[in-house]
Amino acid sequence: DAGVTQSPTHLIKTRGQQVTLRCSPKSGHDTVSWYQQALGQGPQFIFQYYEEEERQRGNFPDRFSGHQFPNYSSELNVNALLLGDSALYLCASSLWANNNEQFFGPGTRLTVL
Amino acid sequence: DQQVKQNSPSLSVQEGRISILNCDYTNSMFDYFLWYKKYPAEGPTFLISISSIKDKNEDGRFTVFLNKSAKHLSLHIVPSQPGDSAVYFCAASEGTSYDKVIFGPGTSLSVIP
Repeated sequence: DAGVTQSPTHLIKTRGQQVTLRCSPKSGHDTVSWYQQALGQGPQFIFQYYEEEERQRGNFPDRFSGHQFPNYSSELNVNALLLGDSALYLCASSLWANNNEQFFGPGTRLTVL
Repeated sequence: DQQVKQNSPSLSVQEGRISILNCDYTNSMFDYFLWYKKYPAEGPTFLISISSIKDKNEDGRFTVFLNKSAKHLSLHIVPSQPGDSAVYFCAASEGTSYDKVIFGPGTSLSVIP
């Protein structure tokens, strides 16, 4: 049973560019949450998707957007990249009925130059 | 505005001794608390949780204590093992099963053989 998978593993972009990160949830899970983890900090909640809709959102600008597909996989898009967007981006999946128990993927390391 | 705080960035403990990791929170609406463990190059993995209706929850070598009046919780690991060396994140939510989870900045635990 595959756990949460994320692609790509690493990514290097330049300021102003756009990036798309992908996540496949654990089998049987229907909810995907995205987090940004800057160096030395804990994961910061970006947003959560369920039934292909954004259900909750953290304190992130509109440059951060997402999508969930009918197979529950999800994408995180970041436009107009800033140097400060460099971080580890974590995807977590769960059941909507039990979102407290989240399973995390290994993350995508984004570097913005 | 950090709602979940872990004031010790790092902790070193001898193998076989007790490790105590502390966490404080400011949001009185939080009533479900979790601890996650993270190894390098991996996503966080769920360790143990506690609901506010309890003051203690135990799972093998891991025990979490909650003091709601002090808005404080702690994770005890007894006995500590070298494989426990990781970053530990305290996290909290407002208890509804679909609420977002807020993470602290983490404590890096080193267990010395």
